[in-house]
Amino acid sequence: GQNIDQPTEMTATEGAIVQINCTYQTSGFNGLFWYQQHAGEAPTFLSYNVLDGLEEKGRFSSFLSRSKGYSYLLLKELQMKDSASYLCAVMDSNYQLIWGAGTKLIIKP
Amino acid sequence: GAVVSQHPSWVICKSGTSVKIECRSLDFQATTMFWYRQFPKQSLMLMATSNEGSKATYEQGVEKDKFLINHASLTLSTLTVTSAHPEDSSFYICSARDVGTGEADTQYFGPGTRLTVL
Repeated sequence: GQNIDQPTEMTATEGAIVQINCTYQTSGFNGLFWYQQHAGEAPTFLSYNVLDGLEEKGRFSSFLSRSKGYSYLLLKELQMKDSASYLCAVMDSNYQLIWGAGTKLIIKP
Repeated sequence: GAVVSQHPSWVICKSGTSVKIECRSLDFQATTMFWYRQFPKQSLMLMATSNEGSKATYEQGVEKDKFLINHASLTLSTLTVTSAHPEDSSFYICSARDVGTGEADTQYFGPGTRLTVL
């Protein structure tokens, strides 16, 4: 079966750095996406990785290792507005997105 | 770029009535749109994949006669919840796939429609 695992909840301090991990087992791989979802709102696109390595976009970076079936989202200089759920999703061989359950990130002052 | 709109943002209706939700890609053409449902504190659940000019593909357990999907143009897909019941109350979110971007097959989400059936 297809499976995406990510921690249910994480807590971090404003101004700090946090890493949210995602491991996956899917039938085929056509890229991994990270989305941010604030409570009561729709997800917004953060990043896309299809090749191994680190992709940096401002305060957010995403890493992928296809051989390990592993990705992480790194958030630097945390701000209170970063409190949200972070969804990991993998596109399988049929170009369908397989979604993780999301990681709720709580930022404390 | 890659903006998706949804209308209405929220709707309250009586049990037994039908509700139509529109999803539009504003600045790109989307041959494929997706409809999701999300219950409180749960993950996104894909309901169906909508392809322009053809019938939608429904996920297992989703009643196609209850959730009617029409994708009549490259920028518009509609979801009609027929004979809605309180258990259909949920957050319905559409997304559109922009195949024209460098980040291939990225799905961009509409803002969602919160449906409450009394």
